[in-house]
Amino acid sequence: QKEVEQNSGPLSVPEGAIASLNCTYSDRVSQSFFWYRQYSGKSPELIMSIYSNGDKEDGRFTAQLNKASQYVSLLIRDSQPSDSATYLCAVNKPGGFKTIFGAGTRLFVKA
Amino acid sequence: GAVVSQHPSWVICKSGTSVKIECRSLDFQATTMFWYRQFPKQSLMLMATSNEGSKATYEQGVEKDKFLINHASLTLSTLTVTSAHPEDSSFYICSAPQGNYGYTFGSGTRLTVV
Repeated sequence: QKEVEQNSGPLSVPEGAIASLNCTYSDRVSQSFFWYRQYSGKSPELIMSIYSNGDKEDGRFTAQLNKASQYVSLLIRDSQPSDSATYLCAVNKPGGFKTIFGAGTRLFVKA
Repeated sequence: GAVVSQHPSWVICKSGTSVKIECRSLDFQATTMFWYRQFPKQSLMLMATSNEGSKATYEQGVEKDKFLINHASLTLSTLTVTSAHPEDSSFYICSAPQGNYGYTFGSGTRLTVV
């Protein structure tokens, strides 16, 4: 079992729709969770971080965390073609800064 | 915000030669730097963790004699790919931790070995 699992996609949504990206992790004691966006040929950029159960909203992005289910999600409202990228879920290992990345989900937003 | 400057952004080298990649933290001190490799359409794979003033810690399966890491100062970490081969062609990215606020990534280096 991979430590951080994501559906590789591609996930295709029409412009203006809600894109839902999901991630599960295996280490129950993980404390910090992140979503990164990576455009082709570029390095990842941080979109959201979440540390406690529930929802966290930032503009069009909402991160959701359920530690009991070991599940993290990212919702993108009013999806735009510029949101087309690979989204990486990342989980910090307890006790340090070491972060494990999922394989990423490719999102395509069709104009 | 915190910025990590990575150079070069791309490099082409001949098989058997060595290539050095630099990552500098511009407005903060990075006692730790992580080095990742990413093959096309794959995720980031952690290669090693460099710590200022001490030896780097390599992940399982990464040859420490091939991928030399130096973290001689609080603002500079380098990765040298020695005796490069075509299979080393990849996207190399450094990043510095920002506590619980995730990582700050360098812009990446596209290495092509011919």
